[in-house]
Amino acid sequence: DAKTTQPTSMDCAEGRAANLPCNHSTISGNEYVYWYRQIHSQGPQYIIHGLKNNETNEMASLIITEDRKSSTLILPHATLRDTAVYYCIDPNSGNTPLVFGKGTRLSVIA
Amino acid sequence: GAVVSQHPSWVICKSGTSVKIECRSLDFQATTMFWYRQFPKQSLMLMATSNEGSKATYEQGVEKDKFLINHASLTLSTLTVTSAHPEDSSFYICSARDRRTNTGELFFGEGSRLTVL
Repeated sequence: DAKTTQPTSMDCAEGRAANLPCNHSTISGNEYVYWYRQIHSQGPQYIIHGLKNNETNEMASLIITEDRKSSTLILPHATLRDTAVYYCIDPNSGNTPLVFGKGTRLSVIA
Repeated sequence: GAVVSQHPSWVICKSGTSVKIECRSLDFQATTMFWYRQFPKQSLMLMATSNEGSKATYEQGVEKDKFLINHASLTLSTLTVTSAHPEDSSFYICSARDRRTNTGELFFGEGSRLTVL
């Protein structure tokens, strides 16, 4: 079973910031938090990952709480093409597969 | 980032036939690849772990004789759906981890949509 919990769905107005929360209260100290998204009928796309510090790349920002039990993915200026299912994943360490929960279905509305 | 490619991207076949799906890591070597299956409006579900040079490890409920996995090289894993039936229609996705990194990031293929008539 997935070790994270996320809201089932969210709406966001085009051009506004989309903030997607995730709880990963059982994450261990050396495990990264990963975020992927899946646009309809495509394979999952890597977005960002983090361990302790906040991270930013060309796609998004990741804010991780100090206790590491939750994080928020931020899409600063959502576009219609950002409509997708967003998955927050707490992987096991080592060479194990990622277990996907149900994710958050983000709908960006014009 | 690393690239994983699947082929074919979609396939339609008659019930009872076998279908082979290829998964290639294009710019890195992968001793382990993972095969997922996704039904409409559901999340990805892990089917099996493909190990280069050895037998695949299947998740509970996945028939190893029906879903044959071969990982003959460090850059290629194949999934063969044998005697396919309409209930096997699904979106099959492979993934691999670049063993040069230690962050655990998985790279995913584009997916292969199988429709069994």
